[in-house]
Amino acid sequence: NAGVIQTPRHKVTGKGQEATLWCEPISGHSAVFWYRQTIVQGLEFLTYFRNQAPIDDSGMPKERFSAQMPNQSHSTLKIQSTQPQDSAVYLCASSALKAETLYFGSGTRLTVL
Amino acid sequence: GQQVQQSPASLVLQEGENAELQCNFSTSLNSMQWFYQRPGGSLVSLFYNPSGTKHSGRLTSTTVIKERRSSLHISSSQTTDSGTYLCALDLRNSNNRIFFGDGTQLVVKP
Repeated sequence: NAGVIQTPRHKVTGKGQEATLWCEPISGHSAVFWYRQTIVQGLEFLTYFRNQAPIDDSGMPKERFSAQMPNQSHSTLKIQSTQPQDSAVYLCASSALKAETLYFGSGTRLTVL
Repeated sequence: GQQVQQSPASLVLQEGENAELQCNFSTSLNSMQWFYQRPGGSLVSLFYNPSGTKHSGRLTSTTVIKERRSSLHISSSQTTDSGTYLCALDLRNSNNRIFFGDGTQLVVKP
């Protein structure tokens, strides 16, 4: 069990460019969460999938952020036209269906210049 | 409003002292999870505790549903315990999601 895998570990983009972040949940886990973390804002919820279906995306900035889970083995978070304020550590987490322990990946540190 | 309130926001201990971290929640609980985060690191699960008391080494988690609180007790603290401790209120069984507290920043001095 390799745990939740996030790639890349670090990403640097220029203002206005697109960034795609990848997450591979633990095999067999049906729930996938995306969070972002900054020193100023702390841990912020972005979106949540269950059995690949989007359940709650209330934390997603609507205009430039999108998330997908095309199959059980990976989820992507795409940020279009990145802005400096998007700089953060983006964390993916997975758990078995419903109420079970949540496991986090190591995160992707996004820096927008 | 905020679903879960965590306290204290920060705590400084001398090595060997005990610590008690608290989370209070405003709604019915499915479960409470406690995490540890080293500076620059990711979140590591310490306990998944829907009710009662659980132990792991020097750590003890107690969730009291009726009182809408969960605590994390660290005994005989060590400098390596320094970091941020977060609690998370799991409401997925109520067709809701997981809500995190703001965390307690713990510093243990030698």
